[in-house]
Amino acid sequence: GESVGLHLPTLSVQEGDNSIINCAYSNSASDYFIWYKQESGKGPQFIIDIRSNMDKRQGQRVTVLLNKTVKHLSLQIAATQPGDSAVYFCAGEEAGSYQLTFGKGTKLSVIP
Amino acid sequence: DTAVSQTPKYLVTQMGNDKSIKCEQNLGHDTMYWYKQDSKKFLKIMFSYNNKELIINETVPNRFSPKSPDKAHLNLHINSLELGDSAVYFCASCVGAGTDTQYFGPGTRLTVL
Repeated sequence: GESVGLHLPTLSVQEGDNSIINCAYSNSASDYFIWYKQESGKGPQFIIDIRSNMDKRQGQRVTVLLNKTVKHLSLQIAATQPGDSAVYFCAGEEAGSYQLTFGKGTKLSVIP
Repeated sequence: DTAVSQTPKYLVTQMGNDKSIKCEQNLGHDTMYWYKQDSKKFLKIMFSYNNKELIINETVPNRFSPKSPDKAHLNLHINSLELGDSAVYFCASCVGAGTDTQYFGPGTRLTVL
């Protein structure tokens, strides 16, 4: 089975700084990865995804980097804002498995 | 406009009771899921249905029984509730089979007393 984990359980950043949240995965057959944001009292919300044929994907203020060699992905948030405060999850999926495996989550706190 | 909705949002009940949580998605997706999130925020898949057929059934006590009357609905019935069932349960849906973004409902916080 797959395990997907995070290096840091909590992260505090100053408003305006960049944030980097890291994630390691164990299943080399995983070929699809998603970052989710979960605000307090709400369900996980899709942020950005990346497939294994890519190394980098950019969205609005967010970038996901995938390093398949070391089975690591990261989420970078530029100019972090108070509204970015949430728990962030990475999740990985093996093609055809129908099944996302979630990491433990990192709580991001933005200091105004 | 709610894409994935769940009812109820909060459920407080006594041990030994039977309860159901309902989920509906209006996205036209073929695949639906139930996840359990524990107090440490860990999300674990429980079940998945694709076009009303069960495709994932993780190691979950058989007190939990999912039912999909149609592909837009996936309900979760729990018999003989135990203290350890207290958690937040999330429903999710995606377009099709694997490697698709899953969209989550708002969650149902179940508290068993």
